[in-house]
Amino acid sequence: GAVVSQHPSWVICKSGTSVKIECRSLDFQATTMFWYRQFPKQSLMLMATSNEGSKATYEQGVEKDKFLINHASLTLSTLTVTSAHPEDSSFYICSARALAGNQPQHFGDGTRLSIL
Amino acid sequence: GQNIDQPTEMTATEGAIVQINCTYQTSGFNGLFWYQQHAGEAPTFLSYNVLDGLEEKGRFSSFLSRSKGYSYLLLKELQMKDSASYLCAVMDSNYQLIWGAGTKLIIKP
Repeated sequence: GAVVSQHPSWVICKSGTSVKIECRSLDFQATTMFWYRQFPKQSLMLMATSNEGSKATYEQGVEKDKFLINHASLTLSTLTVTSAHPEDSSFYICSARALAGNQPQHFGDGTRLSIL
Repeated sequence: GQNIDQPTEMTATEGAIVQINCTYQTSGFNGLFWYQQHAGEAPTFLSYNVLDGLEEKGRFSSFLSRSKGYSYLLLKELQMKDSASYLCAVMDSNYQLIWGAGTKLIIKP
């Protein structure tokens, strides 16, 4: 149980392109989903927390207009990197947590984004 | 402020036992999690402690002392595939996860 699916796994695209990443909880309902970013050999950095049906809460320093998050249902959240530039290249990972507050976060497999 | 401390890197021998420590100072406490992350992959959930004591799950055990703000992850009968980073994370009073920087565990034959 507690499977989280994240697509795509790899994205390579040109600078200026917008990229959408999907995160789905397959066998449980997730009121809260989280989006992380991780640079090589560095720790996870929380970008934003999204709750179903409401606006995402962004961490300090994360541009809301750059990283658009939509959490339209209890099983799906999307992250759109708008007008991506090479400095946006990173490993993006989503996680989902079930309804109860003190449940573990279960992670998707991550999306490796490379902007040329 | 909120703080999670764990060693940056540890080395151990295949077949041996290793203990990875984690100390924390957070605004409230709703449990402590351990995750394993292999290089280039997403983290996977290992264990959850909310009460004091030891939780055993196969070769892995996790211990918690809330009064000391301390936890450890114990790995027995180490295998080469256990080479990974181990992340300690504490859930605070707002049910937000505070992450440690992770401990890179290197297993040598």
